[in-house]
Amino acid sequence: DTEVTQTPKHLVMGMTNKKSLKCEQHMGHRAMYWYKQKAKKPPELMFVYSYEKLSINESVPSRFSPECPNSSLLNLHLHALQPEDSALYLCASSQTRLAGAAKVYNEQFFGPGTRLTVL
Amino acid sequence: ELKVEQNPLFLSMQEGKNYTIYCNYSTTSDRLYWYRQDPGKSLESLFVLLSNGAVKQEGRLMASLDTKARLSTLHITAAVHDLSATYFCAVDDPKTSGSRLTFGEGTQLTVNP
Repeated sequence: DTEVTQTPKHLVMGMTNKKSLKCEQHMGHRAMYWYKQKAKKPPELMFVYSYEKLSINESVPSRFSPECPNSSLLNLHLHALQPEDSALYLCASSQTRLAGAAKVYNEQFFGPGTRLTVL
Repeated sequence: ELKVEQNPLFLSMQEGKNYTIYCNYSTTSDRLYWYRQDPGKSLESLFVLLSNGAVKQEGRLMASLDTKARLSTLHITAAVHDLSATYFCAVDDPKTSGSRLTFGEGTQLTVNP
C-alpha cells in the first residue's frame, strides 16, 4: 500500500460544530503532517508528528487540535471554526531514519485532501 | 526564515514549445522537491533533488539543482496540453524534530493547442 488516504473528501460545518478529519497511511512512515491550502496558494504547514509525538506546531489556533493515535493514523479535530478556515486540508507522510543522533526525513507523500467549508 | 520564490507565476505556452520555470531559495538546503497539482486535486511528487548538480528527467520534464546558486529549474520540452497544471517547488528545512517544507507560490501553466 503506497498511498495516503483522507476522510471525508468534503466537509461542511457550522461555526459551532465539532468535527474531525482523518488521515491514514500504511507505508511504515513515522512522520505525518497536516497542511492547509487556500485557493491558488501553496500549502502551509500546520503540524508535524514524528514518531507519534507532536514535533512542530506552526502557531496554529487552538480550534485546530491534532492527534496521532498510532503510527498509521493522524486526526485533526475541529471546533468553533471560522469561515476563513475554509480550505483544502492535506495530510502527508514521510519515511524517517536515524542517522547517528539525528533523524533524517525523506520525501513527503500527500493524501487527496479534505475540502472544508465553514458556514 | 527560508523564502522560496518561483517565476513565472503564470505561464501560457503553445504546444510544442519549450520553457523553464525557476525556483530560488534564500538559505542553504540540499533538498528540493517539485510537485504538480491539478485543479481541486492533491500534490503529486515529480522530482526529488538531493545534491548539487542533480538532474532528473521524466518524460517532457527535466529538473536540476544548483545548491551554490540556490536555484532549481524545471524545464519543459515540447509541451503538450496534459502538462497544464500548477507546479510547486518546495525546499526542505529538515530539523531533528521534523521536516519543514517551504513552498514557492506556484507556477500556473496553461498549454494551448
